[in-house]
Amino acid sequence: DAGVIQSPRHEVTEMGQEVTLRCKPISGHNSLFWYRQTMMRGLELLIYFNNNVPIDDSGMPEDRFSAKMPNASFSTLKIQPSEPRDSAVYFCASTPTGWTEAFFGQGTRLTVV
Amino acid sequence: DQQVKQNSPSLSVQEGRISILNCDYTNSMFDYFLWYKKYPAEGPTFLISISSIKDKNEDGRFTVFLNKSAKHLSLHIVPSQPGDSAVYFCAASKNAGNMLTFGGGTRLMVKP
Repeated sequence: DAGVIQSPRHEVTEMGQEVTLRCKPISGHNSLFWYRQTMMRGLELLIYFNNNVPIDDSGMPEDRFSAKMPNASFSTLKIQPSEPRDSAVYFCASTPTGWTEAFFGQGTRLTVV
Repeated sequence: DQQVKQNSPSLSVQEGRISILNCDYTNSMFDYFLWYKKYPAEGPTFLISISSIKDKNEDGRFTVFLNKSAKHLSLHIVPSQPGDSAVYFCAASKNAGNMLTFGGGTRLMVKP
């Protein structure tokens, strides 16, 4: 199993540009999570999907952030427009239904200049 | 308001000695706790967990202790090895299969 796959691994963009991060969860996992890691706030949950449906998006910082899961094997996190304070490492994780131990991807390091 | 806190941002330990990483939580609804380990440029990986019905869980060199009355858990690594140098995250969940709330992490450095 290839694990959770995220792309790109690194993204540098200018302030105001749209950024799209991608995630392919582990096959058969029904729950998908987007996390953001910063020095100040550690690992914070942005949004949680179960069976492709958003269950909790209370962690999404503002309307500039949106996430979709069009099918069981793909999710995107979009930031439009991006700002320098969005610079962070963004992780995607997935779990089978009923599990708590999430499996993480390698993350996307986003730098907004 | 951080519901899971790791008050020590870093810890340095000599190889062969015990490493103790601490974690406090405020939400009494949490009943399942996990530790994750993270190396640079990699995602966090699951290390060990404990249910609130237990006060100790052991897996090789790693032991997690839970003190529910104090809302405190700790991870003991003994003996510590240089390969254990990483950032350790404490996480909590309200029940199995639910989403995780993470602490801010503690960077462990094990010196040879």
